[in-house]
Amino acid sequence: KNEVEQSPQNLTAQEGEFITINCSYSVGISALHWLQQHPGGGIVSLFMLSSGKKKHGRLIATINIQEKHSSLHITASHPRDSAVYICAVNIGADGLTFGKGTHLIIQP
Amino acid sequence: EAGVAQSPRYKIIEKRQSVAFWCNPISGHATLYWYQQILGQGPKLLIQFQNNGVVDDSQLPKDRFSAERLKGVDSTLKIQPAKLEDSAVYLCASSLQGGLNTIYFGEGSWLTVV
Repeated sequence: KNEVEQSPQNLTAQEGEFITINCSYSVGISALHWLQQHPGGGIVSLFMLSSGKKKHGRLIATINIQEKHSSLHITASHPRDSAVYICAVNIGADGLTFGKGTHLIIQP
Repeated sequence: EAGVAQSPRYKIIEKRQSVAFWCNPISGHATLYWYQQILGQGPKLLIQFQNNGVVDDSQLPKDRFSAERLKGVDSTLKIQPAKLEDSAVYLCASSLQGGLNTIYFGEGSWLTVV
């Protein structure tokens, strides 16, 4: 069983919709990362968080340590938000353990 | 600030041949990672360096994969001999000190083994 589970695996939405991507993990972590990967491109770090909530532009990330759950929200979604969104966790000081990613497509 | 540099971007080789990938992390970053990402899957850690020392190489197939970071700066990842299942993107990443800092990724090196 993967230690990091994401849902949904695939998501197609219309431009302007509010998007939520969920991430659950099964072990204690020291930090959680949300990453964005465009087709053919590298990975960009969106957020690193260990508690509470962070906001950057139209992106919001929340984490509930007790429930071992995090969400990534996109407000007023746009076709350029289409990408794979990956949740990854630090277990101790180790390198990241990744989820399988959520493929997001925003249609105009 | 320059990002994580990787080369080559794309490589096609025949099975049983060898290939090497190079990574130059962001200046001052002590921690360097190599990840393997097979199409449709999330990245998998191959090896983590702290300066020139190996922190974790538990998932590195050591019979065919090797990596070094001799001077604690740039790093090379080698595959010899390559197998078809090694076709993947090889991502290099770096951070200031371990995973509790923001991790910066390179664009990746795309390997196709035919």
